[in-house]
Amino acid sequence: SQELEQSPQSLIVQEGKNLTINCTSSKTLYGLYWYKQKYGEGLIFLMMLQKGGEEKSHEKITAKLDEKKQQSSLHITASQPSHAGIYLCGADIPEKTSYDKVIFGPGTSLSVIP
Amino acid sequence: NAGVTQTPKFQVLKTGQSMTLQCAQDMNHEYMSWYRQDPGMGLRLIHYSVGAGITDQGEVPNGYNVSRSTTEDFPLRLLSAAPSQTSVYFCASSRDRDGGYTFGSGTRLTVV
Repeated sequence: SQELEQSPQSLIVQEGKNLTINCTSSKTLYGLYWYKQKYGEGLIFLMMLQKGGEEKSHEKITAKLDEKKQQSSLHITASQPSHAGIYLCGADIPEKTSYDKVIFGPGTSLSVIP
Repeated sequence: NAGVTQTPKFQVLKTGQSMTLQCAQDMNHEYMSWYRQDPGMGLRLIHYSVGAGITDQGEVPNGYNVSRSTTEDFPLRLLSAAPSQTSVYFCASSRDRDGGYTFGSGTRLTVV
């Protein structure tokens, strides 16, 4: 979807390095989801952010939603080969007719070199 | 719990053929969606449902039909397959709009 953009498109890091993936929207988001997809498999839900300024962490992954609720970042600390995959952000974008669908960004491909 | 089950996992169709991709969930989730994933395009929403008997179109609905006669099942029908429908299809379900979606493992469809 063009309504959600992710950067970078792909990322190659050495094991142990920190990295950040960004997700931006031109519209205010109702909710922002982060998913991880291993190559050739389905998506795994990581976390959801709803409030402006909210920050959540799970193990070595931290996600933040900015105050305007238009940008989110996903930060991985001390990356490991198990972090490799495609990271997708998804969002509830309020519309006049429906609040009940989630759209996704194009994804960021992460490779971690041992 | 099986979660979200998609069948088949792989399918090859000839142009013009019709088929149904099956999706079933055993979590009593109200929300269900179908997405297609294409290289460089990310996930695009085809159709979604907020409960039995209620469906709506997503971003790319043309060429696809859905129905939701029960809470558990949300089949996706390809009316007349075209090569442009070659893709990986994912079904997802959620308890409510504030929770994350549970995704199926996908159906890889090739239309020749």
